[in-house]
Amino acid sequence: DAGVIQSPRHEVTEMGQEVTLRCKPISGHNSLFWYRQTMMRGLELLIYFNNNVPIDDSGMPEDRFSAKMPNASFSTLKIQPSEPRDSAVYFCASRTGTGGDYGYTFGSGTRLTVV
Amino acid sequence: AQKVTQAQTEISVVEKEDVTLDCVYETRDTTYYLFWYKQPPSGELVFLIRRNSFDEQNEISGRYSWNFQKSTSSFNFTITASQVVDSAVYFCALSNFGNEKLTFGTGTRLTIIP
Repeated sequence: DAGVIQSPRHEVTEMGQEVTLRCKPISGHNSLFWYRQTMMRGLELLIYFNNNVPIDDSGMPEDRFSAKMPNASFSTLKIQPSEPRDSAVYFCASRTGTGGDYGYTFGSGTRLTVV
Repeated sequence: AQKVTQAQTEISVVEKEDVTLDCVYETRDTTYYLFWYKQPPSGELVFLIRRNSFDEQNEISGRYSWNFQKSTSSFNFTITASQVVDSAVYFCALSNFGNEKLTFGTGTRLTIIP
């Protein structure tokens, strides 16, 4: 089991550029989550999918953020245009089952710096 | 609504001392799940334990133990005979039955002094 795989590990981009973060969940996991970690706000849920369908995107900060899950093995989080305040560590997590009673496995995160 | 409070922002102890990390939660649901995660300096989030609301038995895993008390809405984590490798940020988290959202506390930064 390779775990949840995120790419890139680090991303430095200029303000105004488009940024795409990628995630491959654990095979067989049917839920996928995108979290953002900052010093000010801690770990906050941006969006999650169940069976590739977005269930709750209330945490997406604004229209500049979008997420897709075209199939069970891949998801993207896109920021366009990026701003310095988007600098954070973005985590992807996946789990199996429903009802909250199964563990969440997190990827290693993508550290995004917008200059 | 659900909320997790970790009142201890930072803790420092000398190696081999015992240390307890506090976690208090709020939820209106009767079925819920509590978690602890460790975030070492390398940055990844490492799963430590999951507890459901119907199981109040304390759990011990090596030097780690967890005390779950529904009466006080607490799920505290104790490290016995701490080691330098235990230095990390520890997060407590909560999810409710039927809602997959995992709500994290603000974390406790634990430093073990050699």
